[in-house]
Amino acid sequence: EAGVTQFPSHSVIEKGQTVTLRCDPISGHDNLYWYRRVMGKEIKFLLHFVKESKQDESGMPNNRFLAERTGGTYSTLKVQPAELEDSGVYFCASSHLSGYNTGELFFGEGSRLTVL
Amino acid sequence: ELKVEQNPLFLSMQEGKNYTIYCNYSTTSDRLYWYRQDPGKSLESLFVLLSNGAVKQEGRLMASLDTKARLSTLHITAAVHDLSATYFCAVTFNAGGTSYGKLTFGQGTILTVHP
Repeated sequence: EAGVTQFPSHSVIEKGQTVTLRCDPISGHDNLYWYRRVMGKEIKFLLHFVKESKQDESGMPNNRFLAERTGGTYSTLKVQPAELEDSGVYFCASSHLSGYNTGELFFGEGSRLTVL
Repeated sequence: ELKVEQNPLFLSMQEGKNYTIYCNYSTTSDRLYWYRQDPGKSLESLFVLLSNGAVKQEGRLMASLDTKARLSTLHITAAVHDLSATYFCAVTFNAGGTSYGKLTFGQGTILTVHP
């Protein structure tokens, strides 16, 4: 069974440009999460989808970040326009809806974003 | 606000030695997780601890939880090179119907095991 996959693995863009990160969760997983680790800092929660609905987006830094999950399958996270402080590793994780109680998350390998 | 602190942040160990990583958290938590990450790879779940006094062991790693002290430990026994990785603890609290997937992470402990 395929795990959580993320694309691209690494993106280098200039300040002011736009980047879209994609996450494909494990098939059948209704919960999808985005996390971010800025260099030297903790991994921080960004938002949570249940199917196509945003359950909790309290961790989104500002309105330059837009997450979508049309159809309740894959998700995208767009940063527009990117700023230097957006550099970091963006992790996606998924869990089955029954994982509501088990809490087991499966993480992708992350997308490293470098903003120059 | 829930905060999680790990120490040490860097740990250099000799093979065969024992050591403990500590994870303190600031408020009541429902569950505590330990993850391992190899460079450029995903976070791999090691342990989920649900209740006070919980102890879990897998190979050379043993995790325990003291909810009264808000402390978890990850003990490494007779370290081997393959254990070199970054270890994270994370906690969650199911407040108001949010799922257990909203984790608050510690800073991570970079473990290096050398001969």
